[in-house]
Amino acid sequence: GQQLNQSPQSMFIQEGEDVSMNCTSSSIFNTWLWYKQDPGEGPVLLIALYKAGELTSNGRLTAQFGITRKDSFLNISASIPSDVGIYFCAGLPMDSNYQLIWGAGTKLIIKP
Amino acid sequence: GAVVSQHPSWVICKSGTSVKIECRSLDFQATTMFWYRQFPKQSLMLMATSNEGSKATYEQGVEKDKFLINHASLTLSTLTVTSAHPEDSSFYICSAARDYLAYNEQFFGPGTRLTVL
Repeated sequence: GQQLNQSPQSMFIQEGEDVSMNCTSSSIFNTWLWYKQDPGEGPVLLIALYKAGELTSNGRLTAQFGITRKDSFLNISASIPSDVGIYFCAGLPMDSNYQLIWGAGTKLIIKP
Repeated sequence: GAVVSQHPSWVICKSGTSVKIECRSLDFQATTMFWYRQFPKQSLMLMATSNEGSKATYEQGVEKDKFLINHASLTLSTLTVTSAHPEDSSFYICSAARDYLAYNEQFFGPGTRLTVL
């Protein structure tokens, strides 16, 4: 099925570094969602974005809904060990049947 | 609030047997529940959408006779994998939404790891 282009696929970073990941699409989206999934668990919603240009924070996490409505990014500031996991973007295309389209995920690994 | 549980968390079964997975919304009423499948290192794939009291809507390529879904109440949906085979081994995740087809307001369960021998 259709997927969003999510990058990077994985990231190796030092504790304390900032992290940035993004998702892009060829079509316009109405909603962007960012989830985190820990191993063996279901995804947990981090941030939901509903308007173009919207910038929303959740603690050390910040996400933005791109002005073109075709992209979104997620930033994590001052990463800590518990940030390890897989981050997924998901979105609702404007012309969809209201089914979420998922990115392939960004695996975050923090070097000790 | 908005806690979703799944049972069992993992199951191992023999090929040819059927397995039932339960998904419960513990502290809210779920008008819509979704069932996903996730293979290792891949994203979630929507299998079907179920609304309480009506038949589930299956995504293209998902066999409705193999993956039976019952959304009998506003807090419980079940997925039965019938005549399971090794290729059905996967991580199955459900999610629940308060509102009808609220794809952007889903709360996910912890998942069920199915291994078919």
